[in-house]
Amino acid sequence: QVQLAESGGGVVQPGGSLRLSCAASGFTFNKYGMHWVRQAPGKGLEWVAFIRYDGSNKYYADSVKGRFTISRDNSKNTLSLQMNSLRAEDTAVYYCAKVLEGGRYYFDCWGQGTLVTVSS
Amino acid sequence: EIVLTQSPGTLSLSPGERVTLSCRASQSVSGNFLAWYQQKPGQAPRLLIYGASSRATGIPDRFSGSGSGTDFTLTISRLEPEDFAVYYCQQYDSSPPTWTFGQGTKVEIK
Repeated sequence: QVQLAESGGGVVQPGGSLRLSCAASGFTFNKYGMHWVRQAPGKGLEWVAFIRYDGSNKYYADSVKGRFTISRDNSKNTLSLQMNSLRAEDTAVYYCAKVLEGGRYYFDCWGQGTLVTVSS
Repeated sequence: EIVLTQSPGTLSLSPGERVTLSCRASQSVSGNFLAWYQQKPGQAPRLLIYGASSRATGIPDRFSGSGSGTDFTLTISRLEPEDFAVYYCQQYDSSPPTWTFGQGTKVEIK
């Protein structure tokens, strides 16, 4: 079955950087677009970034544009999120999610998330 | 940017009751690219409904979605104990590509 496992979260100071990874298994990774979605403590869901199945298109939420970079390595079935210039408001659980077959529109399967805390 | 507003914020209900959750969009959701998710404490969200009315794989038929344009509804015909959770709607807009969520509705045990 589909499995997504995030890693790389932790505590970082404001202005710092962190790189998240998502290991995918149980499906043909190179055929599906992937997303990052975050959830601040006690808050709702916020879409962060999307990457097409072949990496040719990437889209970002305005709140992270210019600071975060989504990428993928289809040879290693891995999705990544490079986060720079981190702010306190970036504190959240970060989920990777696979798109539902047939398009980029919906978040079909989710990992369990990794917590990023931005604090001095 | 399309804003999704969910109502009510919290519902207090008993098992067996019928539930109707609302999701209203600030502009028409093109292509009916509207989904519903369920999230339980400490867990990742789970896709319930996509395309406004199609059930995702493995979702019980007590869950149903309806609506179009700016007004969408998630209905749970008879609440089971495992249905107490937070429910989010989500839409996709192609110009530019963005995905947005509503703020969520919590369904709690009365």
